[in-house]
Amino acid sequence: KAGVTQTPRYLIKTRGQQVTLSCSPISGHRSVSWYQQTPGQGLQFLFEYFSETQRNKGNFPGRFSGRQFSNSRSEMNVSTLELGDSALYLCASSPGLAGLSYNEQFFGPGTRLTVL
Amino acid sequence: AQKVTQAQTEISVVEKEDVTLDCVYETRDTTYYLFWYKQPPSGELVFLIRRNSFDEQNEISGRYSWNFQKSTSSFNFTITASQVVDSAVYFCAPHNNDMRFGAGTRLTVKP
Repeated sequence: KAGVTQTPRYLIKTRGQQVTLSCSPISGHRSVSWYQQTPGQGLQFLFEYFSETQRNKGNFPGRFSGRQFSNSRSEMNVSTLELGDSALYLCASSPGLAGLSYNEQFFGPGTRLTVL
Repeated sequence: AQKVTQAQTEISVVEKEDVTLDCVYETRDTTYYLFWYKQPPSGELVFLIRRNSFDEQNEISGRYSWNFQKSTSSFNFTITASQVVDSAVYFCAPHNNDMRFGAGTRLTVKP
């Protein structure tokens, strides 16, 4: 099976702009989670989508949003970018039926976002 | 919210040494699952092991073993006969609807 893919791999934006990141999960996986990884804050959970619905949410401002399509592909959007949004954004998929707590997550290579 | 503590920021060992990575967690859940992930220099996190909270039997899988003690909320991970390819950042993660990862332990295995 193909792994989790994320596009683009690298992105440079300026403050105030918005950005959309894409994630394609492993075939058959219905849960997609997003994480932000920075040297200062580590790995932080953004949100999880399951069957096109946001099922769980971390503690991030409303500028961070996402959606999931019927084919389980997911997008994450960050509006009004700030310098502090520079990070590695990781997407992970899992079968999802048993909930976020049970299944191991399969991670993509990430999108490195730089905000200037 | 739950908290995960990986007190060891960095560990450096010489190849073939055994190394144990510590993890202490806090949770109010009575049933939960604990995971270890590895992040090599390439950046992609890789699942290593999973343990459920109601089974404290410790196990060995190849060069990996883990010691889970519910009474002390610890879930330590051991690599036996370390290899250079084990060099990575290791994350402990109690899975929950509020996903939390520890800060990670950077392991360097020198030849």
